[in-house]
Amino acid sequence: NAGVTQTPKFQVLKTGQSMTLQCAQDMNHEYMSWYRQDPGMGLRLIHYSVGAGITDQGEVPNGYNVSRSTTEDFPLRLLSAAPSQTSVYFCASSLRGVDQPQHFGDGTRLSIL
Amino acid sequence: GIQVEQSPPDLILQEGANSTLRCNFSDSVNNLQWFHQNPWGQLINLFYIPSGTKQNGRLSATTVATERYSLLYISSSQTTDSGVYFCAVRVGGTSYGKLTFGQGTILTVHP
Repeated sequence: NAGVTQTPKFQVLKTGQSMTLQCAQDMNHEYMSWYRQDPGMGLRLIHYSVGAGITDQGEVPNGYNVSRSTTEDFPLRLLSAAPSQTSVYFCASSLRGVDQPQHFGDGTRLSIL
Repeated sequence: GIQVEQSPPDLILQEGANSTLRCNFSDSVNNLQWFHQNPWGQLINLFYIPSGTKQNGRLSATTVATERYSLLYISSSQTTDSGVYFCAVRVGGTSYGKLTFGQGTILTVHP
């Protein structure tokens, strides 16, 4: 199993550009989530999904969209990138919900100029 | 919302020393987990421990839910223990809810 795979690992964008961060898992996990990590802070939840076709907002959803068309994939879209979205983004998954071990991808380091 | 505070913010140890990391939370929780982020940025789940005590090798964790804190013990520390340790909690709702993370404790273990 590859676990949770995030692509790309690094990305530089200009303000106003859009892009999609990819997240895929091959463990047949129901629950998937996106976090952002900023210096000196813990991880903050952006969006999460409890299964295909079901998504919900986390703590900091503004400026981000998600969809879950398959169990395996949970892409995160930045609609119009802003410097405040410069961060490291982590995708996580678990078999069912947050009361089980969360498996994290290796992260995407995103810089917005 | 719930406040999750970790202490100390930074900790520097010599290899072989023991340490205790603390996680305080402001409300009753249904779930508490500890994570380790290694120097390469990878996040690993250490413990799922809403109450009681668990041990895994040199690491152990205790959560006293009634007093709203959890402790992570690292014994005989090794340089590979370096990194950031996070606790995260779930408040209310269902197990399909949200985890709230603390700001982390940065641990540096010198050889």
